[in-house]
Amino acid sequence: GAGVSQSPRYKVAKRGQDVALRCDPISGHVSLFWYQQALGQGPEFLTYFQNEAQLDKSGLPSDRFFAERPEGSVSTLKIQRTQQEDSAVYLCASSWGTGVSGELFFGEGSRLTVL
Amino acid sequence: AQKVTQAQTEISVVEKEDVTLDCVYETRDTTYYLFWYKQPPSGELVFLIRRNSFDEQNEISGRYSWNFQKSTSSFNFTITASQVVDSAVYFCALGHYGQNFVFGPGTRLSVLP
Repeated sequence: GAGVSQSPRYKVAKRGQDVALRCDPISGHVSLFWYQQALGQGPEFLTYFQNEAQLDKSGLPSDRFFAERPEGSVSTLKIQRTQQEDSAVYLCASSWGTGVSGELFFGEGSRLTVL
Repeated sequence: AQKVTQAQTEISVVEKEDVTLDCVYETRDTTYYLFWYKQPPSGELVFLIRRNSFDEQNEISGRYSWNFQKSTSSFNFTITASQVVDSAVYFCALGHYGQNFVFGPGTRLSVLP
């Protein structure tokens, strides 16, 4: 499709399970961002890729969170040993430019619920 | 530190009223970008506008207008003659070249028929 695609749209996990969230950015977009949005809050930065290089992962809340973009296109956000506080919508965004020089296009998000 | 404040948590207006959403930002950098995004109930963030720190000209796009004032570190957003379809959460965001975006907490706008 023409937009940013995220899957799954909804994920329910039992506490302690590992989850993997996928982001398919717009073709040709250099930059890819992951954000976490808790209910009623603004998006909080998690990590940023420029092509396959992870340039900033300062927002990842713990070492249970891991992101990769091995070929500079599709990205996966992995959360190990999920906790209830991980429940949120995980948003992926891509941009043709580097950093904030271009408009960010967001996907619809993956809503994670940890029981 | 970079920070975005949207003091209005929720606003309700009646259709056709004008409404202004406030955004105040903090940054030490002289070069930065400001954005507004709309998040309808479907959840996808929709880009509305980007301004760079060197361009203080106000902008109008249809019923939308933006007032950027560096002196007060504000980037306010006005919707004229609001419509029910404008109901959404609106986020103001601050970005610096080569770095990530910082979003404000959002303002939920409800436009009542």
